[in-house]
Amino acid sequence: DAKTTQPPSMDCAEGRAANLPCNHSTISGNEYVYWYRQIHSQGPQYIIHGLKNNETNEMASLIITEDRKSSTLILPHATLRDTAVYYCIVRPDSYGNKLVFGAGTILRVKS
Amino acid sequence: GAVVSQHPSRVICKSGTSVKIECRSLDFQATTMFWYRQFPKKSLMLMATSNEGSKATYEQGVEKDKFLINHASLTLSTLTVTSAHPEDSSFYICSARVPLQGNSPLHFGNGTRLTVT
Repeated sequence: DAKTTQPPSMDCAEGRAANLPCNHSTISGNEYVYWYRQIHSQGPQYIIHGLKNNETNEMASLIITEDRKSSTLILPHATLRDTAVYYCIVRPDSYGNKLVFGAGTILRVKS
Repeated sequence: GAVVSQHPSRVICKSGTSVKIECRSLDFQATTMFWYRQFPKKSLMLMATSNEGSKATYEQGVEKDKFLINHASLTLSTLTVTSAHPEDSSFYICSARVPLQGNSPLHFGNGTRLTVT
């Protein structure tokens, strides 16, 4: 799997947009970008994923650069409950392929 | 959406005993499930891939005789920690993906906190 690089931690004010970057400069053409988050003492929660195009769902938006070497997860209006560790993972398109987690970014949303 | 359930959520056992953790896919069938463990303030580490009807595939450094995995049905995988020791205390998490959807996301259980005394 391609390696990803994320900042170890970020702070965000409540109500503001949280923009979490991820570098994946060695990503292959068939690898998707996945974002998960883990709130303390819970299992990871799926947020969003994409291949080339930008994606949006009820939780977040995913912006992938044209060369696919980096992406940004955007939480449009962060709340205190969004405080968590956010993981960016790249993975090939195959049912049996595992997810390998890096260190992630600790996002602290502050009031 | 797809739901993965783990049981128990928390277990305390004595050193030398065995503990079984169950992972169920509640609304879909999963031919493959994944088991992770997580130490405090660390990231998730993949332990093994559980395959329905066949042997599990273990990651390098994971003792297959210590962490027994059984995937007897399309909705249930179990992880048994045999002869548990305090260093096995950890957070164990399972995950599964809806089949026939190669790029569908992995869904995770809420984890099992194992404490070995």
